[in-house]
Amino acid sequence: QIQLVQSGPELKKPGESVKISCKASGYTFTDYAMHWVKQAPGKGLKWMGWINTYTGKPTYADDFKGRFVFSLEASASTANLQISNLKNEDTATYFCASPGQLGRHWFAYWGQGTLVTVSS
Amino acid sequence: IMLTQSPATLSVTPGESISLSCRASQSISTNLHWYQQKPNESPRVLIKYASQSISGIPSRFSGSGSGTDFTLNINRVEPEDFSVYYCQQSNSWPLTFGSGTKLEIK
Repeated sequence: QIQLVQSGPELKKPGESVKISCKASGYTFTDYAMHWVKQAPGKGLKWMGWINTYTGKPTYADDFKGRFVFSLEASASTANLQISNLKNEDTATYFCASPGQLGRHWFAYWGQGTLVTVSS
Repeated sequence: IMLTQSPATLSVTPGESISLSCRASQSISTNLHWYQQKPNESPRVLIKYASQSISGIPSRFSGSGSGTDFTLNINRVEPEDFSVYYCQQSNSWPLTFGSGTKLEIK
């Protein structure tokens, strides 16, 4: 069965960086895209972008260009999200999500979420 | 593409049948998907492509619509259905979600 397992919660100070991982299992990692979704406390879901797990090419939504980097460790079936120069408004739960089908952009599989708290 | 969900909150009694609305700012064909999110859990897909069922999802959940107007129906709400529902479009980039409808117990 397909599973996405994310790294644990993080507590960071403003200006620091954080790297979140999402390890996939149950399928060939390079078959399906990996997307990232942000959910601020008490708020809705916001799509951040996606990474082509076959080519490694990332695509970012406008609000996530600059400080956000999607990367892969394909040999470890892992996708990563790195956020630099953290701000208070980056406090959120970050989800990785996969369509589980080639070329589709809805999300059949989700990680459990990683809470990033930014506080001085 | 903006997705507007209504109502923001819906208070119902278990056993009632309900409809949740999602309206797109421009036509998205049937590229609209519905998710359920319970507190402190990841979202779960309920319906894909406006009306297609998902394996393992109870049959009381159904979807309809095309173009700009979409509906998620829950036939006879069960206690475990009280949560937040989101729609999401995959017609064009960037992918977008609606702001959600919270289904609460009356």
